[in-house]
Amino acid sequence: DQQVKQNSPSLSVQEGRISILNCDYTNSMFDYFLWYKKYPAEGPTFLISISSIKDKNEDGRFTVFLNKSAKHLSLHIVPSQPGDSAVYFCAASYAGGTSYGKLTFGQGTILTVHP
Amino acid sequence: DAGVTQSPTHLIKTRGQQVTLRCSPISGHKSVSWYQQVLGQGPQFIFQYYEKEERGRGNFPDRFSARQFPNYSSELNVNALLLGDSALYLCASSFTGRPGETQYFGPGTRLLVL
Repeated sequence: DQQVKQNSPSLSVQEGRISILNCDYTNSMFDYFLWYKKYPAEGPTFLISISSIKDKNEDGRFTVFLNKSAKHLSLHIVPSQPGDSAVYFCAASYAGGTSYGKLTFGQGTILTVHP
Repeated sequence: DAGVTQSPTHLIKTRGQQVTLRCSPISGHKSVSWYQQVLGQGPQFIFQYYEKEERGRGNFPDRFSARQFPNYSSELNVNALLLGDSALYLCASSFTGRPGETQYFGPGTRLLVL
């Protein structure tokens, strides 16, 4: 039961252009969403988050958009830099059930930014 | 400030053995969560602890257990290892572990079961 899905295994972008990473979820109870970046041999690094009461959150080059009716969120990186090349995971959580505070992750999208 | 630390970084075990992984949270964080990441997939939730109490458990067999100590560090134990337990084990810490709170991850322990 994959409640959080990243349907694009990989994305290739030219340096300076926009990178758009997408994530879909099925559980309408999710109310907090996060994006993490992961380099090989390192743990995931927190990038940006958004609460379900918002539809947009910005932090520097990173913007996350949330469309609750479509159960879809996206991460925009502008401008993309070669150092952004990594695996990007979206994650979701909600206050309820037996898994309090549990993060549910998507499968990840490999972003490659070409110089 | 030091981030989340985990030890060991790498570990090789054989089927049937037992393993203990360790995690130290960020200073001031009282909650620790454990995740398993198999190659090509996202991390899967195993446990969450807060103030030494288990607060959440994922869909893992009873061979997996954990505990949290008074200094908020944590251990994950896996008994009767199977080949399928080969994975990257990640520890994450946060202030209270409540939903809506960002969890910060350590570098992970890569376990290989032969």
